[in-house]
Amino acid sequence: AQSVTQPDIHITVSEGASLELRCNYSYGATPYLFWYVQSPGQGLQLLLKYFSGDTLVQGIKGFEAEFKRSQSSFNLRKPSVHWSDAAEYFCAVGAASGTYKYIFGTGTRLKVLA
Amino acid sequence: GAGVSQSPSNKVTEKGKDVELRCDPISGHTALYWYRQSLGQGLEFLIYFQGNSAPDKSGLPSDRFSAERTGGSVSTLTIQRTQQEDSAVYLCASSLVLSGAGRGYTFGSGTRLTVV
Repeated sequence: AQSVTQPDIHITVSEGASLELRCNYSYGATPYLFWYVQSPGQGLQLLLKYFSGDTLVQGIKGFEAEFKRSQSSFNLRKPSVHWSDAAEYFCAVGAASGTYKYIFGTGTRLKVLA
Repeated sequence: GAGVSQSPSNKVTEKGKDVELRCDPISGHTALYWYRQSLGQGLEFLIYFQGNSAPDKSGLPSDRFSAERTGGSVSTLTIQRTQQEDSAVYLCASSLVLSGAGRGYTFGSGTRLTVV
């Protein structure tokens, strides 16, 4: 079955610390992978996406993610977290062709300590 | 418009009432999607419109839910005889047709529906 798992429901880090949010997927077709961020009361904003090629992708706001096919993972990282990064983060997978639907994970809520 | 616009931003309704949620996609985006975000859940696909093609309604949870898209632009999601389990944030997104899943959607800010 197709699924996206974000094993961490909540994560708390101190400002300036590094961050890694985990995402594992199960998908039969060649996947497109995405990370979205949702600030309180806002819609989802695309942080970055992976289609093919270099497995390390750079996104906005200093985020990056690494696609590891052997581990079916697409973890999101940031070297130094800012207080404004506190939000909920969603991993999603879509097909490289055919269906246009995404499958979303249940999200990881990030809290940043001053 | 510059972004995906949804209205109202918040809606409180009594159980059993009908509600209409509106989405105005980005100009030129022919693909439009509705998702539902329930507390503690991921996003649940509801329905997809693409141009003049028949919509994909496979995600609608019951026949109380319906949606239409007029003139290839504005979409309305209607929930009839609302139930408490319908309480959620309803998110609309749009994309360029050729990108589909590829480029990523642009989401609106959502409508928070509370059924009391």
